Amino acid sequence: EAQVTQNPRYLITVTGKKLTVTCSQNMNHEYMSWYRQDPGLGLRQIYYSMNVEVTDKGDVPEGYKVSRKEKRNFPLILESPSPNQTSLYFCASSLSKVQETQYFGPGTRLLVL
Amino acid sequence: KNQVEQSPQSLIILEGKNCTLQCNYTVSPFSNLRWYKQDTGRGPVSLTIMTFSENTKSNGRYTATLDADTKQSSLHITASQLSDSASYICVVRGPSASNFGNEKLTFGTGTRLTIIP
Repeated sequence: EAQVTQNPRYLITVTGKKLTVTCSQNMNHEYMSWYRQDPGLGLRQIYYSMNVEVTDKGDVPEGYKVSRKEKRNFPLILESPSPNQTSLYFCASSLSKVQETQYFGPGTRLLVL
Repeated sequence: KNQVEQSPQSLIILEGKNCTLQCNYTVSPFSNLRWYKQDTGRGPVSLTIMTFSENTKSNGRYTATLDADTKQSSLHITASQLSDSASYICVVRGPSASNFGNEKLTFGTGTRLTIIP
């Protein structure tokens, strides 16, 4: 089944404790992206990747890192999480940026205490 | 600043009734407009996509319309079902301010639709 998977789905952590949210797609998509969704603000792009080893900042990249060592994986790293990063995070992928029908993962709900 | 505004914020209707959701945008120039459905606790799923040259697109009971002159789009749901209860998000693709010149997506904040039996 074609899908985007994220892990973990739920995470509670404390300020400053490094964490990684994994994202994997099995559709051989080139373009992958991370979003955060907050009430009243809609989805905002954090980082995106056009292909392996090609990443760029989205609208709200502060406090986040990403890597794209393999085509299927695009982990989101929070080196020193803070409470303002409490949010619902979505990973998405598409065949290419031009084709751009994005397929979203199920979401990761993060709480930073 | 490019914006996408959706109305109403929330809507409650009886099962079987029709409804229309609105999306106004200021993104310019504009490449395409997409409507997503997001069930509670899940990721958004694409419903329709329209380019500036298209003024209507259907997907089952969902029909999206686009007026590129007034920068307005609507999503009409016919004969609503309980499974239509979800958030509906309007997304517009337009120019990016990045050095790469790539287009970017601007998301609306969504309309929360609740269908009651």
